Order: sequence, then C-alpha cells, then structure tokens
Amino acid sequence: GQSLEQPSEVTAVEGAIVQINCTYQTSGFYGLSWYQQHDGGAPTFLSYNGLDGLEETGRFSSFLSRSDSYGYLLLQELQMKDSASYFCAVRVPYNTDKLIFGTGTRLQVFP
Amino acid sequence: DAGITQSPRHKVTETGTPVTLRCHQTENHRYMYWYRQDPGHGLRLIHYSYGVKDTDKGEVSDGYSVSRSKTEDFLLTLESATSSQTSVYFCAISERGPLSGGAETQYFGPGTRLLVL
Repeated sequence: GQSLEQPSEVTAVEGAIVQINCTYQTSGFYGLSWYQQHDGGAPTFLSYNGLDGLEETGRFSSFLSRSDSYGYLLLQELQMKDSASYFCAVRVPYNTDKLIFGTGTRLQVFP
Repeated sequence: DAGITQSPRHKVTETGTPVTLRCHQTENHRYMYWYRQDPGHGLRLIHYSYGVKDTDKGEVSDGYSVSRSKTEDFLLTLESATSSQTSVYFCAISERGPLSGGAETQYFGPGTRLLVL
C-alpha cells in the first residue's frame, strides 16, 4: 500500500519555529510537496522537494531525505495566519503525475 | 490564479439521486483531477483526466463516474448518491512551474460541499 504519516496536530506560539514531519511509503517517488489549507478553503501549494536537501521560501523551508523516506516542513517566525492544516504529498509516477496526500497536520498558533 | 471554478458550491441531496458536479478551468490545462476530502483521510483521488475523453480511476472511484468532452470542463457524477459520499469535493489542475523546480504542481478549485441525506 501507499501511506504518508504526519502528526495530527501541532501547537505553537507566535514568533516560534515549528517543524512538521512526514514519513512515506509509496510505490515510486518523484518528489515531496507541501500544501496549506485554511479552514473552509482550498489546499494551496507551498513547496516541493525533488532532491535531497533543504528548500527555502521565505519563512517556510522544506527538507527531504529520500534514503530515509522522510521530509519536513519548517515554519519560522510563526504568525497567527499560519494556523491551518498542512499536508505532505508524494508525487508518484503514473499515466500522469499523481499525488498521494497525507492525512494532514493541524497547526494552531497562539498569541 | 489557475482560473478554476466549481459548481455548485454547496448541495444537499437525497440518497439514491444522481448528482453532477462541474469543474471549469480557463487556462487550457491538460490534466484535471477530482478529490474528496474527509476528516482523518486527507485528500483522496477519485478520478483524473489527462485529456479530452481520456480519464482514469483514482483510489476511491467506486460509485463515481467522470466525463471530459471539452478541455475546460471536467464533470464528476455520483450515479446514485449515498450518505457515505457526503464530503467536500475538490477539483484540481496541474501545471509545471518554477516554484516546484519544473515539477507538476496542483492547483485546487474552491470545493463543493455535498450533503447526502
């Protein structure tokens, strides 16, 4: 089967740093993506790692280790607006690129 | 803005009735997807399309059918709605972009909340 595991919930305070981990077991692997979803909204793309290492986009960074089937999303200088659910998704080869999503991590940022 | 709209945005229906959800895109993307999102399950792929009249099943396709007669429209039909199909349905398109190092990134529509009584 295919599975991605993430913590169900993480809490932090404004200004802090939080890391959301994702471990995966999939048949094939092209890359790991992260999506953010606010309550009542649609998922929006945050970052992508196709190769091992760290990718930085402003306050958000994402890391991948293919040998460990593991990645994480790092959020720095947390703001209240970062309160949302975060999904990791593995891109697997198929007729078209297909994403397998994790069950999501709900991040609550407190003042 | 990937120019994706979904209709209806909300729908209440009764068990046993057919329901069709529409996804419309304005950017001429080749690949389109239908997902459902339920608590504790994340996003699960129902069906996808890789071109006009070219569709394939995802991981939770039972009870659903799709059609794509035009590039811009991807329809999802619940042939006979059941309470287990109460969910939020998202349509998505994918495109290669610089933010993902040239890899395909999926962009989601606003979603349709479906309640089957």
